[in-house]
Amino acid sequence: QSALTQPASVSGSPGQSITISCTGTHSDVGGYNYVSWYQQHPGKAPKLMIYDVSNRPSGVSNRFSGSKSDNTASLTISGLQAADEADYYCSSYTRSSTLVFGGGTKLTVL
Amino acid sequence: QVQLQESGPGLVKPSETLSLTCTVSGGSNSSDFYYWSWIRQPAGKGLEWIGRIYIRGSTNYNPSLKSRVTISVDTSKNQVSLKLSSVTAADTAVYYCARGWAFDIWGQGTMVTVSS
Repeated sequence: QSALTQPASVSGSPGQSITISCTGTHSDVGGYNYVSWYQQHPGKAPKLMIYDVSNRPSGVSNRFSGSKSDNTASLTISGLQAADEADYYCSSYTRSSTLVFGGGTKLTVL
Repeated sequence: QVQLQESGPGLVKPSETLSLTCTVSGGSNSSDFYYWSWIRQPAGKGLEWIGRIYIRGSTNYNPSLKSRVTISVDTSKNQVSLKLSSVTAADTAVYYCARGWAFDIWGQGTMVTVSS
């Protein structure tokens, strides 16, 4: 199975909004509403930020939001903060009953 | 507070079998949730899903690893296990266990190096 496609890096200034895309196919992202997003700081385990395309787990800031259009899912972070600087990964359920991750996106807060 | 803790040898020889255990503690039982997954991350690289076990025993594996992976669960011990056979240097990574279909809780990870 092929990894989902994410931009290698994105950047933004404090207070701005950024969006990270996650592109798959009709066999994964486009076919199911089972897309999740994870935040990973250096040396730490990933943390679930969004599940089922647009749902936030308890405790995750409402500055984080998710959406999907056709085969592309997106994570938007509004009111960017220094603490948001991290790697972000998307994942999706697939037609083969497996899971697949994106390659990851490094977010830099300028 | 639910916690997952991975454990196992930090060094495995090439061609041997990597064996790791994930112990669930803090109020959640391995039988409470339907899915438990293993995920790995080579140094400086992205996440790779290895596979998962459904609490009733069925498993799904990454096609690229399927021939070498076995995931099992022991509900009496609240443990989920991973076995990866015929390892090579390419299997060197931090290995994580995670809960649920959306990986809502992760262990801290355990580093496994494949080297003679």
